[in-house]
Amino acid sequence: GPKVLQIPSHQIIDMGQMVTLNCDPVSNHLYFYWYKQILGQQMEFLVNFYNGKVMEKSKLFKDQFSVERPDGSYFTLKIQPTALEDSAVYFCASSSGQGSNERLFFGHGTKLSVL
Amino acid sequence: GQQVQQSPASLVLQEGENAELQCNFSSTATQLQWFYQSPGGSLVSLLSNPSGTKHTGRLTSTTVTKERRSSLHISSSQTTDSGTYLCAIEGNSNNRIFFGDGTQLVVKP
Repeated sequence: GPKVLQIPSHQIIDMGQMVTLNCDPVSNHLYFYWYKQILGQQMEFLVNFYNGKVMEKSKLFKDQFSVERPDGSYFTLKIQPTALEDSAVYFCASSSGQGSNERLFFGHGTKLSVL
Repeated sequence: GQQVQQSPASLVLQEGENAELQCNFSSTATQLQWFYQSPGGSLVSLLSNPSGTKHTGRLTSTTVTKERRSSLHISSSQTTDSGTYLCAIEGNSNNRIFFGDGTQLVVKP
């Protein structure tokens, strides 16, 4: 079936550095999402993105976060600078549209460890 | 925002037994998905079922929209079914999905 790929699967970084998480969404999908899950806690919405713009973001989407998808390339989540509390697994998702029959496809997640 | 409650929080079964997982949500859902999260953390979409009953393999989901609940039935459980099962609801705006806390399933041989 359709797959969302996330690269890398694990990233270790020093606090204060910049990190970019990459997502290769399903090829014909138009809507893109990032979710964050701290170990042992609930998965939480960060942001969704359509037509080159952020449509909605949660309070977890701090000023240090940014997303983009230059044409034909990865959908990225950039954190600059990173903080210890950014350590989590970040899940990317994509969908072809919005509505009750549209299904989100998730990647396997990127585990970010901020030291 | 949307509240999603899952029960039970954890479940231990012997291989071959059936599992029944519940999801209740606080307001109208336009979309509902069941996910499996492996012990390693990766996420797999199992079923998309905003209303009615759907089957795939050993999985059956029944969603009663007006009662704001959904169930996931796993028949003839296997040890490889062990992991966390997440219910996720989409409300009325922008495909924003709310996840429950999950049911942690352990299937013993």
